[in-house]
Amino acid sequence: KAGVTQTPRYLIKTRGQQVTLSCSPISGHRSVSWYQQTPGQGLQFLFEYFSETQRNKGNFPGRFSGRQFSNSRSEMNVSTLELGDSALYLCASKQGDRYNEQFFGPGTRLTVL
Amino acid sequence: GQQVMQIPQYQHVQEGEDFTTYCNSSTTLSNIQWYKQRPGGHPVFLIQLVKSGEVKKQKRLTFQFGEAKKNSSLHITATQTTDVGTYFCAGPNYGGSQGNLIFGKGTKLSVKP
Repeated sequence: KAGVTQTPRYLIKTRGQQVTLSCSPISGHRSVSWYQQTPGQGLQFLFEYFSETQRNKGNFPGRFSGRQFSNSRSEMNVSTLELGDSALYLCASKQGDRYNEQFFGPGTRLTVL
Repeated sequence: GQQVMQIPQYQHVQEGEDFTTYCNSSTTLSNIQWYKQRPGGHPVFLIQLVKSGEVKKQKRLTFQFGEAKKNSSLHITATQTTDVGTYFCAGPNYGGSQGNLIFGKGTKLSVKP
């Protein structure tokens, strides 16, 4: 089975721009969660989608949004980028609707200049 | 709010020495998960503990879940250079959905050959 894939792997943007990141979960996984990882704050939950519905959202401003498609692929969007948005953005998929292991993708490294 | 704390933040050991990282939650957890992230990589699931007082072993790695289900530990016996990376514990975010994990900030392990 192919793992979780994320595109692009690296991205450089300037302040004020917007960005869209993509995540393809493992086949059959309907839950996709997004996390932001920075050296200072560690791994922080952004949101989770399950069957095209956002189930939960972390404590991030409204500039961060996401969606999930019928094939479970997910995208997250960040508008009006700020320098502090520079981070590794990880998506994770899991099987089922229980507290079980999450499979992480390789991440998208976003640099905001 | 709910917090998961991990200590130490960094640990430098000589190859062959033992290593332990500790995880403490501000709330009782239904389960706890452990992940490992190699330098430049993404978190990879190691194990999930569910029962009070549970102890699980994976070769040189021993995982424990406290009796009160608020703390956990990971012990590595006779570290090897392949153990290098950051070890994270994660618990479910109550009030959130099943795909919403709260991660500790991790313990970064370096091993000197």
